[in-house]
Amino acid sequence: EPEVTQTPSHQVTQMGQEVILRCVPISNHLYFYWYRQILGQKVEFLVSFYNNEISEKSEIFDDQFSVERPDGSNFTLKIRSTKLEDSAMYFCASRLDFETQYFGPGTRLLVL
Amino acid sequence: SQKIEQNSEALNIQEGKTATLTCNYTNYSPAYLQWYRQDPGRGPVFLLLIRENEKEKRKERLKVTFDTTLKQSLFHITASQPADSATYLCALETGTASKLTFGTGTRLQVTL
Repeated sequence: EPEVTQTPSHQVTQMGQEVILRCVPISNHLYFYWYRQILGQKVEFLVSFYNNEISEKSEIFDDQFSVERPDGSNFTLKIRSTKLEDSAMYFCASRLDFETQYFGPGTRLLVL
Repeated sequence: SQKIEQNSEALNIQEGKTATLTCNYTNYSPAYLQWYRQDPGRGPVFLLLIRENEKEKRKERLKVTFDTTLKQSLFHITASQPADSATYLCALETGTASKLTFGTGTRLQVTL
């Protein structure tokens, strides 16, 4: 069964460094999302992406964040200058047309 | 303000019994509602989706109901097994890009 994949599974970085989290959505899906989950808290929406542009973003998704779909398969989330509070699990999700979103296994980001 | 609440943080039941989890929301009018399962350190796994015009949906031992008047969904697991132990998340479709807004989850523990 097709699935969303994410790399790396774990990332440790120093505060102020740039990180790029990678996702390969399900191949025929059209809508792409990033969510995050701080330890012990709920899953929160960051950004949605469709037709090569951002369709919606949350207040969390400030100028430090950016997303890109550089080719037909990858979908990336870049954090330009990481802060301690960016430490969280980051989940990529995709969907075909309407309704069900399928999530990847996540990248655990730790900012020191 | 908009809120999604899941009835309890944790629910302990005995194997073979039916687990019932509640999701209540305010100030939303979702076109559909989804239930996900999340294991520790993993991404949410889609279980069931129910649309606003549907009262009930079933899949194997799972059943979900959706009452848009009460703004409530109930999620049932019948004949529960220890393998059903996980956190269950309620998620509403919200916004123009159909982003998901999640509840805080209910941690289900099924004991022998």
